[in-house]
Amino acid sequence: AQSVAQPEDQVNVAEGNPLTVKCTYSVSGNPYLFWYVQYPNRGLQFLLKYITGDNLVKGSYGFEAEFNKSQTSFHLKKPSALVSDSALYFCAVRDRGDYKLSFGAGTTVTVRA
Amino acid sequence: DAGVTQSPTHLIKTRGQHVTLRCSPISGHKSVSWYQQVLGQGPQFIFQYYEKEERGRGNFPDRFSARQFPNYSSELNVNALLLGDSALYLCASSLAVTGGSGPQPQHFGDGTRLSIL
Repeated sequence: AQSVAQPEDQVNVAEGNPLTVKCTYSVSGNPYLFWYVQYPNRGLQFLLKYITGDNLVKGSYGFEAEFNKSQTSFHLKKPSALVSDSALYFCAVRDRGDYKLSFGAGTTVTVRA
Repeated sequence: DAGVTQSPTHLIKTRGQHVTLRCSPISGHKSVSWYQQVLGQGPQFIFQYYEKEERGRGNFPDRFSARQFPNYSSELNVNALLLGDSALYLCASSLAVTGGSGPQPQHFGDGTRLSIL
């Protein structure tokens, strides 16, 4: 079985400050990990993925994520948040032996001006 | 290029009815997946199709079925609708199930919002 936990329902930061959205996962084997963002009344947009190799993955719009195998975490980070980053963020995991993509419950990010 | 398109955008049905949702993938994409997103929750995997064959199924009852056509478009069918089927249904397409650099990112449509009365 595979699952994702996003421990924070909401994250609030001031514009220009660092942004971190937390994610932990559980899979039986080695994971593929993803971050997606969802704006109101829209579908999900792909931000980045971890497949193998370097633990720090860089993605779209200045976002990056750090894979930590010992802590089974894949936290999303942005050094300097923008008001336009305010959205709903989802972490997702896929076991390498499976086709199913499992999403967390999501974290609402609010960046105040 | 056009993204993933889903139709209709909104739909209202009553309990016991049947519904068909449609999805057109990005041109060249051969894999289509369906997800159910209940308000306040993350998307839940329903089906994945690749080259017209079912490659994965989530924990949904047999009332849910899908198919993929030769042009790679897809339909999701739900029979005997229940109030709990009210959700945003998302379709996602990708180039292949797994490419040379691992799984391809899925590109999502804006969804069909289904309301059951």
